[in-house]
Amino acid sequence: NAGVMQNPRHLVRRRGQEARLRCSPMKGHSHVYWYRQLPEEGLKFMVYLQKENIIDESGMPKERFSAEFPKEGPSILRIQQVVRGDSAAYFCASSPPGTPWEQYFGPGTRLTVT
Amino acid sequence: QKEVEQDPGPLSVPEGAIVSLNCTYSNSAFQYFMWYRQYSRKGPELLMYTYSSGNKEDGRFTAQVDKSSKYISLFIRDSQPSDSATYLCAMEEQGAQKLVFGQGTRLTINP
Repeated sequence: NAGVMQNPRHLVRRRGQEARLRCSPMKGHSHVYWYRQLPEEGLKFMVYLQKENIIDESGMPKERFSAEFPKEGPSILRIQQVVRGDSAAYFCASSPPGTPWEQYFGPGTRLTVT
Repeated sequence: QKEVEQDPGPLSVPEGAIVSLNCTYSNSAFQYFMWYRQYSRKGPELLMYTYSSGNKEDGRFTAQVDKSSKYISLFIRDSQPSDSATYLCAMEEQGAQKLVFGQGTRLTINP
């Protein structure tokens, strides 16, 4: 009974490079959420996706950030031209159909921008 | 003012004590209330969720919601060193489908 899977667990990028974070939801879950956790801060919602659809991206920075959840394969959070301020832990969560408040989180990807 | 306020602690108690963790909120539209436990450098783990007001018990954990006061609590009975972690409250408006988190309270249970 695999939980939410994220990879890589750690990612180091130099300023200006691209970061790609992947998330596979729990079996049977079709809703995926991305959150960001900055040092000493709580989790902040970024985006909510269903298969092939972005439902709510109100928490995503307007530039350089994008997310997708294709018909096949994991959800991807993409950060272009990373800056030092993007260094954070990025968590993916998934929920069963019908209970969006019941979100289960993955182990996170810790992004470090040097 | 943040939508969800949570004392970051740290909170340190002896093993076996009853622990009380709390959050207040300002958005009266919140309907679902969750508690997560997060160990250092791990993902948050869903402990409990409740809908609207009332109490919910699961083993050593009890969650309380008082919507009239916009105040929620998590009680841990017979606390163990393995309960040492950061506890996050989270809330959701019906239909919003995104969680709003408190800052988290760092808890240490001393043997």
